[in-house]
Amino acid sequence: GENVEQHPSTLSVQEGDSAVIKCTYSDSASNYFPWYKQELGKRPQLIIDIRSNVGEKKDQRIAVTLNKTAKHFSLHITETQPEDSAVYFCAASRGGGGNKLTFGTGTQLKVEL
Amino acid sequence: DVKVTQSSRYLVKRTGEKVFLECVQDMDHENMFWYRQDPGLGLRLIYFSYDVKMKEKGDIPEGYSVSREKKERFSLILESASTNQTSMYLCASKQVDEQYFGPGTRLTVT
Repeated sequence: GENVEQHPSTLSVQEGDSAVIKCTYSDSASNYFPWYKQELGKRPQLIIDIRSNVGEKKDQRIAVTLNKTAKHFSLHITETQPEDSAVYFCAASRGGGGNKLTFGTGTQLKVEL
Repeated sequence: DVKVTQSSRYLVKRTGEKVFLECVQDMDHENMFWYRQDPGLGLRLIYFSYDVKMKEKGDIPEGYSVSREKKERFSLILESASTNQTSMYLCASKQVDEQYFGPGTRLTVT
């Protein structure tokens, strides 16, 4: 089955700096890679996703890159703000209904003032 | 707006008790999932269902069972609760790719 590894487990940055979280996956058939953000005491919510037919996707201050050959993908947050502090999970799946997501172990991001 | 609800936010049970956790979604999604979330271990899949009365084991099914009698409802059952099942339990549903999570149930087994 799929195995997703995520690094680092904790990340502390100064407000305004960039943050990068990296994930690797094992199943070459995986083609859907979402990122979820979980604020303290709240449910995980999708913030961005990428499919294997593109290498990069941006949405305002967040971006995700995918390297299918190396089987890794990354989340980039620019101009970090205190409200970016949360746990971030990467995931991978073969996409489509009936397929399950395999999650990474999460990264606790802390943005310090 | 998709809504996934769970029957309890907090639950305290004794060792050996039978525990039912219920999840309901209102978007007619075919796929539903149960995860447990533990610090440092991320979200681990217990069971999932892609149709009524259908179920598939996830990565950590031992000690759990599930029931899906209606499309909107997916129940997680702990036949005989043990202390190592103390955790946060999250339900989710999806139709194609994006998963929508419930608020979670913090279960403590004493």
